[in-house]
Amino acid sequence: DTAVSQTPKYLVTQMGNDKSIKCEQNLGHDTMYWYKQDSKKFLKIMFSYNNKELIINETVPNRFSPKSPDKAHLNLHINSLELGDSAVYFCASSPGLQETQYFGPGTRLLVL
Amino acid sequence: EDQVTQSPEALRLQEGESSSLNCSYTVSGLRGLFWYRQDPGKGPEFLFTLYSAGEEKEKERLKATLTKKESFLHITAPKPEDSATYLCAGGGYGQNFVFGPGTRLSVLP
Repeated sequence: DTAVSQTPKYLVTQMGNDKSIKCEQNLGHDTMYWYKQDSKKFLKIMFSYNNKELIINETVPNRFSPKSPDKAHLNLHINSLELGDSAVYFCASSPGLQETQYFGPGTRLLVL
Repeated sequence: EDQVTQSPEALRLQEGESSSLNCSYTVSGLRGLFWYRQDPGKGPEFLFTLYSAGEEKEKERLKATLTKKESFLHITAPKPEDSATYLCAGGGYGQNFVFGPGTRLSVLP
């Protein structure tokens, strides 16, 4: 009965590789988000999707591309991984924009 | 630019020693101030949403309050299981949702 789930939980990969992280929510929410939490534990929003439309695209390199096949899923694809991409990536969802967000367990990405 | 700051960065309390965490915000057209708890290795867990100055919300040993410039999370008689990082975030116009850096709380038995 997990509300927001992410796969994989851990991801270790080499520089230059391409990888994807998947997120699913079963809360019936309209809005989904991707956040990056760096080593200093700062949570920074990367993308927001509302009803499958991209709403926010903060200053994120275009190597990162979100894809939302439907309202319940928001995947994150990362091309040409760099050392600085190592972080924990959290998916979240909310009923609508500016409403309470519910977070997934995180994906810990380590780029070697 | 919208900004949320939190103090202190870290706080150590003895079990039963009450205290408060501060969240100061400058968010254009604040529509909600959110508090979350984050345990190591886990995602943030929602605690409270406050919408207007003067509003208060309580849950067990926690009480959140809101003024026009800041929010406080009061912890009464904390227990070791309250140890976590507490995050606040402001949601304003323009779809901005800005998190503060968090306060790491340790409650010693």
